[in-house]
Amino acid sequence: DGGITQSPKYLFRKEGQNVTLSCEQNLNHDAMYWYRQDPGQGLRLIYYSQIVNDFQKGDIAEGYSVSREKKESFPLTVTSAQKNPTAFYLCASTGGLTGNTIYFGEGSWLTVV
Amino acid sequence: AQKITQTQPGMFVQEKEAVTLDCTYDTSDPSYGLFWYKQPSSGEMIFLIYQGSYDQQNATEGRYSLNFQKARKSANLVISASQLGDSAMYFCAMSLTTGFQKLVFGTGTRLLVSP
Repeated sequence: DGGITQSPKYLFRKEGQNVTLSCEQNLNHDAMYWYRQDPGQGLRLIYYSQIVNDFQKGDIAEGYSVSREKKESFPLTVTSAQKNPTAFYLCASTGGLTGNTIYFGEGSWLTVV
Repeated sequence: AQKITQTQPGMFVQEKEAVTLDCTYDTSDPSYGLFWYKQPSSGEMIFLIYQGSYDQQNATEGRYSLNFQKARKSANLVISASQLGDSAMYFCAMSLTTGFQKLVFGTGTRLLVSP
């Protein structure tokens, strides 16, 4: 079945370490996104990519980095510069600039210990 | 800037009854889309319904309908015949339909359906 796969589902990180969250889609979508969700809050955009080898910062990009080497993949690295990384991270994709539905993965829970 | 406001932190409804979840939005752009997503405790975001700003009729998807009042800038979600499985967080979101699809989310409403 087509969809978006995020891994790992749960991740624990020590302070000062970088971690990478995986996001893979087989929907042949051009655009991919990373959102962060904090308890009791809506989603905030971290990074987005409209096409391979191109990506832009969202509203809260500080302390994060991404790459888009393949259409199917959009990994997110949470760096040690991110001061409060404990959150729920959601990857999403859409079928181009005029697509009217954005599909989400199941999310990754990151906890800093 | 675009903004979504959901003023109901929590709502209760009895099984088989209808419930309305409120959403108001703010944008100066004439071309936009409005979405509702359901987020169960597992965390995934499930797409429910979409309304384009130029759509003449209110969107419907099964038991979900979107009460779109453009002049009031409201896009309320109506769930008919509530089921126990409808208990979840519900998010209203908006995107511009020009340029890339950046979704702006509200803070959500937690719906609890009781037997």
